[in-house]
Amino acid sequence: AQKVTQAQTEISVVEKEDVTLDCVYETRDTTYYLFWYKQPPSGELVFLIRRNSFDEQNEISGRYSWNFQKSTSSFNFTITASQVVDSAVYFCALSVDNYGQNFVFGPGTRLSVLP
Amino acid sequence: DTEVTQTPKHLVMGMTNKKSLKCEQHMGHRAMYWYKQKAKKPPELMFVYSYEKLSINESVPSRFSPECPNSSLLNLHLHALQPEDSALYLCASSQDEGTGYGYTFGSGTRLTVV
Repeated sequence: AQKVTQAQTEISVVEKEDVTLDCVYETRDTTYYLFWYKQPPSGELVFLIRRNSFDEQNEISGRYSWNFQKSTSSFNFTITASQVVDSAVYFCALSVDNYGQNFVFGPGTRLSVLP
Repeated sequence: DTEVTQTPKHLVMGMTNKKSLKCEQHMGHRAMYWYKQKAKKPPELMFVYSYEKLSINESVPSRFSPECPNSSLLNLHLHALQPEDSALYLCASSQDEGTGYGYTFGSGTRLTVV
């Protein structure tokens, strides 16, 4: 069975601080995909990144960066110089094949960035 | 057009009412999904449509009835709902029935059953 753990339920930071959101996953499959989604108060789930299990290269996109480590089954997400607009719930998700029934969300981390 | 549009944004209905949620995408995606999200919880999959055919029904009660009239539209018909059905209902689409492509989500319909 697949499982995604986001141990941080809520995080509060002050604007311009860096913050890392943790994601640990469990799967026995060797081929899988990892995702991060952002859900602002408006409700829409915004796709941030997809990473397949064969690509451990870290990725940076503006103030966002992702650290994928298969050795620890982690796919952590760092926001550099956080802004108030980053306040949202962030979900890490795992898919082990190409079928929707195996798309598993983590419980989410609520990030509050204070001015 | 890279959006999934859901209407209405908010809906309040009584337990004896019949209502429908609508979802539309014009990205040429061939898979569409309904998710239910309770407060402070992650989304839970309800239905998957692939090429306009129901592919997955995650043991959803029959008071929820999905419909896919064409490849761009997905409806969720509601009848005789219970207060515990109050939630955010999210629609999503993907290029094909494969999460490897990533999903595009709509902003959801906030449903309150009174």
